[in-house]
Amino acid sequence: AQSVTQLGSHVSVSEGALVLLRCNYSSSVPPYLFWYVQYPNQGLQLLLKYTTGATLVKGINGFEAEFKKSETSFHLTKPSAHMSDAAEYFCALKAAGNKLTFGGGTRVLVKP
Amino acid sequence: DSGVTQTPKHLITATGQRVTLRCSPRSGDLSVYWYQQSLDQGLQFLIQYYNGEERAKGNILERFSAQQFPDLHSELNLSSLELGDSALYFCASSPFMDSYEQYFGPGTRLTVT
Repeated sequence: AQSVTQLGSHVSVSEGALVLLRCNYSSSVPPYLFWYVQYPNQGLQLLLKYTTGATLVKGINGFEAEFKKSETSFHLTKPSAHMSDAAEYFCALKAAGNKLTFGGGTRVLVKP
Repeated sequence: DSGVTQTPKHLITATGQRVTLRCSPRSGDLSVYWYQQSLDQGLQFLIQYYNGEERAKGNILERFSAQQFPDLHSELNLSSLELGDSALYFCASSPFMDSYEQYFGPGTRLTVT
């Protein structure tokens, strides 16, 4: 069975500070990993993905994530938070089969 | 804008009723996926269709069913609705049966009263 765990359902950061959202996964086969963002009353937008190759992946809006197989992690970072980053972020895994398995989500609050 | 459209945007109905949610995938995408997002269960995969055929099934209740039509749009039918079915229902699409990326629609918010 595959699963995704996001540590921290809420994260509060100051504008300009580092954003770090944690994601750990469990999979019996090599996974494909994704981060999605959901703004209020909107659908999910893909931020970035890891399939194969380079373990540090860059996405939209200045976000990046690093796949660490030894730690079964795929943490999302952004060096400097902006007010527009306030949203909910979901880590997702695609392993065996076609479905995406999502973590519980982390809501980010950005303080001015 | 992902190119995936869902109608209606909001739906309010009573317990015991039946509703149909509609999804139009991105142009050229053959796969459609349905997900449910609720406060207690989070985001859960319900079902996938590829070119009209059911390909994968997740945590979909027997009261729920889906189909994909020849023009590739899909409908999710929810019947004998219960209060617990209140949720945001997302449709996603992808080009192939096993694509890396799925493109999500804006969702249909269902409220069962």
